[in-house]
Amino acid sequence: EPEVTQTPSHQVTQMGQEVILRCVPISNHLYFYWYRQILGQKVEFLVSFYNNEISEKSEIFDDQFSVERPDGSNFTLKIRSTKLEDSAMYFCASHGAGGPYEQYFGPGTRLTVT
Amino acid sequence: AQSVTQPDIHITVSEGASLELRCNYSYGATPYLFWYVQSPGQGLQLLLKYFSGDTLVQGIKGFEAEFKRSQSSFNLRKPSVHWSDAAEYFCAVGAGSGNTGKLIFGQGTTLQVKP
Repeated sequence: EPEVTQTPSHQVTQMGQEVILRCVPISNHLYFYWYRQILGQKVEFLVSFYNNEISEKSEIFDDQFSVERPDGSNFTLKIRSTKLEDSAMYFCASHGAGGPYEQYFGPGTRLTVT
Repeated sequence: AQSVTQPDIHITVSEGASLELRCNYSYGATPYLFWYVQSPGQGLQLLLKYFSGDTLVQGIKGFEAEFKRSQSSFNLRKPSVHWSDAAEYFCAVGAGSGNTGKLIFGQGTTLQVKP
């Protein structure tokens, strides 16, 4: 069964450093998402991406965040200058043309900012 | 604004007992509703969804959920819980526009199963 993969599974970084979280969506999917979950809190939508453009973003997704599809398989989330409050589990999701809510989620990357 | 509330943070049931996890939503239009499950170290797996039609929906792993518009609820049920059902469960509402599928999640309910 096809699946969304994410690397790394755990990333530790120092405050102020840049991090790039990587996702490989399911190969024929066209719509991509990032969500995050701060420990003990709910999963929150960050951004959706389609046709090389951001479709929608949340208030959390400020200028420190960016997304990119650098090639035909990867989808990345960059945090330019990490803050302590960026520590969270970040989930990538994707779906195809079958419908916007048939989202497949990756296992997540745990980001720890020290 | 759209929101989802899961009143129970943590639930413990005995194996073989029935289960009901509560979910209430706030959404102006007809909601698209979902239940996801997350096992440790795993991503979110879709258990079931409601878009329209029959208000009782069946999902994977023997789960079902009932949409009650009058109560703004979408509770998840299982008649007999197995130890492998221990996980975290998330209710979500679809709040996107066009072809984008932004999901708004509840806080999650952690299910513990006693032998």
